[in-house]
Amino acid sequence: AQSVTQLGSHVSVSEGALVLLRCNYSSSVPPYLFWYVQYPNQGLQLLLKYTSAATLVKGINGFEAEFKKSETSFHLTKPSAHMSDAAEYFCAVSEKGYKLSFGAGTTVTVRA
Amino acid sequence: EADIYQTPRYLVIGTGKKITLECSQTMGHDKMYWYQQDPGMELHLIHYSYGVNSTEKGDLSSESTVSRIRTEHFPLTLESARPSHTSQYLCASRGDTDNTEAFFGQGTRLTVV
Repeated sequence: AQSVTQLGSHVSVSEGALVLLRCNYSSSVPPYLFWYVQYPNQGLQLLLKYTSAATLVKGINGFEAEFKKSETSFHLTKPSAHMSDAAEYFCAVSEKGYKLSFGAGTTVTVRA
Repeated sequence: EADIYQTPRYLVIGTGKKITLECSQTMGHDKMYWYQQDPGMELHLIHYSYGVNSTEKGDLSSESTVSRIRTEHFPLTLESARPSHTSQYLCASRGDTDNTEAFFGQGTRLTVV
């Protein structure tokens, strides 16, 4: 079964600083990977997804992620954090057949 | 904008009551899911469905049950609510291919007192 590991349950950055959220996956076949964002008391919203078309994927709100097969990673970045980026972020991998498996999540706080 | 809806958004109910959380989607998706999430914690899959009359239990054991009589509707029922059922419940749907994303509803925050 495929799975994802998010390194760091909590990340704190200053406004304007780089945001880096780490995600590693385990898979014996090329995976489909996703990043979601969740604001308080809301459902999950898709930020971006990797489906093998390009290794650097651009998403909404200035986020991007790079798929690195050699490192089995799909880290999420944003060059300059904004206060509105404070949220919970989830990495997910698509398992063949039916379901998405989610990582444990990373909470991002942004300091003024 | 995703067309998947959950009602109610918030529910406070007494122990022993029967409750049904509603989830509907208008995207024609065959795959639908229920996740349970405690505040600030990871998502746990509790039920999923491949289509009408198809339901399966997920990774996390749950005392809830689900039904799928219509493609667009995937309700979750607790026959007798307990305080341990207090949590957020997220419904999602997804297209047929593995490279498609899941669309989530806004969630139902359930509190059992």
